[in-house]
Amino acid sequence: TQLLEQSPQFLSIQEGENLTVYCNSSSVFSSLQWYRQEPGEGPVLLVTVVTGGEVKKLKRLTFQFGDARKDSSLHITAAQPGDTGLYLCAGAEGRGSEKLVFGKGTKLTVNP
Amino acid sequence: GAVVSQHPSRVICKSGTSVKIECRSLDFQATTMFWYRQFPKQSLMLMATSNEGSKATYEQGVEKDKFLINHASLTLSTLTVTSAHPEDSSFYICSATRVRGYGYTFGSGTRLTVV
Repeated sequence: TQLLEQSPQFLSIQEGENLTVYCNSSSVFSSLQWYRQEPGEGPVLLVTVVTGGEVKKLKRLTFQFGDARKDSSLHITAAQPGDTGLYLCAGAEGRGSEKLVFGKGTKLTVNP
Repeated sequence: GAVVSQHPSRVICKSGTSVKIECRSLDFQATTMFWYRQFPKQSLMLMATSNEGSKATYEQGVEKDKFLINHASLTLSTLTVTSAHPEDSSFYICSATRVRGYGYTFGSGTRLTVV
């Protein structure tokens, strides 16, 4: 079973600061996805990265897929209180499987 | 597009009873859906893969006789928690994808409380 190590597990910062969340694995994924989850809700897809080295931007969020497709990062610039939530990375195993492997999540709190 | 509807959002049941949770893909067909369980402040744990027209595939450690999954159509999968116990209390979430491996749409989850 492929594993995704996500760090940090908890992050509390002040409004305006930058932050980076990491997802690492020893396994290769066919794609990697980032989700954000609010309490009592299901995760909402932010982005999917497929190609090694790919970089995608979503407003103040920048997502990167490692060249070897084993790791990914999420960078948030000038964080705002509205960014508070649980961020989850998930890797698609591929090889005919549609299963997702989830990291343990990063609980981000942005204080005003 | 790609909307997944999950019902109920909250349910309280007595120990020993059964509870059915529905997961519907509203605007696309999903031959495969997934059921997850999430404990407080933890990540999602895959319970099973629901396959339309065939038996579900359960993850190791998940009791298939306790968590019954039926995927009778391309837009509906159901999870039935049978003979519920307080330790079954959790947040259950389903997901489906329009394009394999590309991005999954999750339901809004069901908070099950067994008393």
